[in-house]
Amino acid sequence: GAVVSQHPSRVICKSGTSVKIECRSLDFQATTMFWYRQFPKQSLMLMATSNEGSKATYEQGVEKDKFLINHASLTLSTLTVTSAHPEDSSFYICSASGGGSTSTDTQYFGPGTRLTVL
Amino acid sequence: EDQVTQSPEALRLQEGESSSLNCSYTVSGLRGLFWYRQDPGKGPEFLFTLYSAGEEKEKERLKATLTKKESFLHITAPKPEDSATYLCAVQAGGYNKLIFGAGTRLAVHP
Repeated sequence: GAVVSQHPSRVICKSGTSVKIECRSLDFQATTMFWYRQFPKQSLMLMATSNEGSKATYEQGVEKDKFLINHASLTLSTLTVTSAHPEDSSFYICSASGGGSTSTDTQYFGPGTRLTVL
Repeated sequence: EDQVTQSPEALRLQEGESSSLNCSYTVSGLRGLFWYRQDPGKGPEFLFTLYSAGEEKEKERLKATLTKKESFLHITAPKPEDSATYLCAVQAGGYNKLIFGAGTRLAVHP
């Protein structure tokens, strides 16, 4: 139980284009989803928290117009990196927490998406 | 300011050589402490949640303990497949977001 998927696992795009990453909770309803980015040999940095049907809450220093988050249902959240630039290249990871058979406090992570912007 | 510190930064063990990883925290109103395992190029895998001092949880060769200031992840007779980065994170106050430590990179050699 508590499986979270992400798609795509890898994406390469040209500078200036937009990229959408999907995060799905497969076997539970995720009332809250989180988006992180991780640089090589560093820990996870929280970007934003989203609750189903509500606007996302962004961490300080994260541009909300650049990183668009939509949490339209209890099983799907999307992160869109708009007008991507090489400095946006990173490993993006989502997590989900919810009720049902899972603990509401525990975050379950997806496998991550490697974004490379050329 | 809420803070999580993990030590050591890196640990090299021989197969079968037991050891412990440390996670010390300074937070206001601990709600839960979480341990995750992360393999290179993958998302963190949930291991344990601890909620109160004195609590212990076990899973195979791993055992997590919690005091009011720190948590330990004990690894008994590790195998090479236990090699990974182990992340500690806390939830505090009225927030459900996690505050992560920098992690401990564990390498177990045959």
